[in-house]
This record gives sequence, structure tokens and C-alpha cells, in this order.
Amino acid sequence: EAEVAQSPRYKITEKSQAVAFWCDPISGHATLYWYRQILGQGPELLVQFQDESVVDDSQLPKDRFSAERLKGVDSTLKIQPAELGDSAMYLCASSFSPGGTGELFFGEGSRLTVL
Amino acid sequence: AQSVTQLGSHVSVSEGALVLLRCNYSSSVPPYLFWYVQYPNQGLQLLLKYTTGATLVKGINGFEAEFKKSETSFHLTKPSAHMSDAAEYFCAVYKGSQGNLIFGKGTKLSVKP
Repeated sequence: EAEVAQSPRYKITEKSQAVAFWCDPISGHATLYWYRQILGQGPELLVQFQDESVVDDSQLPKDRFSAERLKGVDSTLKIQPAELGDSAMYLCASSFSPGGTGELFFGEGSRLTVL
Repeated sequence: AQSVTQLGSHVSVSEGALVLLRCNYSSSVPPYLFWYVQYPNQGLQLLLKYTTGATLVKGINGFEAEFKKSETSFHLTKPSAHMSDAAEYFCAVYKGSQGNLIFGKGTKLSVKP
């Protein structure tokens, strides 16, 4: 069964350091999402791509976060510099296309701890 | 604007008892509604979804949910809880114009033996 791949699963870093997360969506899925989930809360959208273009990054803290999907396939989310409040689970999801049934397929997530 | 509210951050039931997790939504357009389950340190897995048609939706693992437009609700139920149902459950509404999901804060389900 096709899955969304994410790495690393766990990352511990010190504040002010740079950190990067990688996501490979299900083959053929044009839409890719990065969500952030703070412990005890629901996921919140950071950025949404349609192919290589950003559709929605209104909630992405652009002073320290960046995301790219250069060839419209896999994606990288970067944080520089990391802050204590960035400790969270970073979830990648993909869907065949927006405007369909809306079903998103999630990866297992990357848990970030900032010390 | 779309939003969801999950009533109760933590629900505890005994094994074999009815599971009822509550979700109310707000949407200016006919909503697409979802329930996802998350096990510790895992991603989210789709349980069931409502788009159009039959208002009683059956999902995986014996769960079902009923869309009630008059009550703006989409509560999740299971007749008999199993220990393996212990997890966190998220209700979500589809933000149709952009094609992403807006999630509730989640309800953690505990199942007592």
C-alpha cells in the first residue's frame, strides 16, 4: 500500500540551530501539505503545495520557516533558527488533487524537540 | 469560515461500552466532514468521511458517524469499545476553496478493562 514517507521520525536540536524535514508523498498526488501539531492539540496547516506552487502559506512563520517542492514531488520544510516553541510533531500529507473528496493521506510525522 | 469543535478533550469508557465522541461544525457551505484517528507517535488515519448522500456513514474498525445538518453535528460512535480503540480522535472539516482540512483539538479516548 502506498504511503507518505517522512524523515527523520525524531529530531532533537538546540535552540538557534537549523533543522530540516523531508516528505515524499504518495506517487501521483499533486497536492502536498505540511501541518504542525503541538502536543495536545489538533494539526494546523503550515503550507500547502499544488505541484510545485504554494497554494496557502498564510500560517507559515516566514521569518524562520521555509518550505519548497522544487520538482513537484518531494518536499522539504526548514526551520532556522529553531525556537523552544517549535517543539511539535510535523506532519506531511498528500492528496490526489484539491476539490476532490478531500481525503488527506498522512505520513507518520517528524517529532521535533528543541532544547 | 469553517471550523469544528470537539466537546470533551478526554473520554473514558469501559471495554464493551458505547463510545460517543462529539463534534460540531460551522460551515457556510455544505460541509465535507471527516474523522481521523491517531495512535501515539503516529500520523493520522482516516476512519470515515461524509461528503454527500447517506447521512449515516460507516467507517473502519466498527465506527460510524451521523451527519445532522439541523444540529450541525457529526458525532462518532461505536457500539462496543475495544482496548485497541484507545487513541486520539480528530474531527475535521474540508476547507473547500483551498482543498485542505481544518481540525478540531481532538478527543483522547481511554478504554478501561
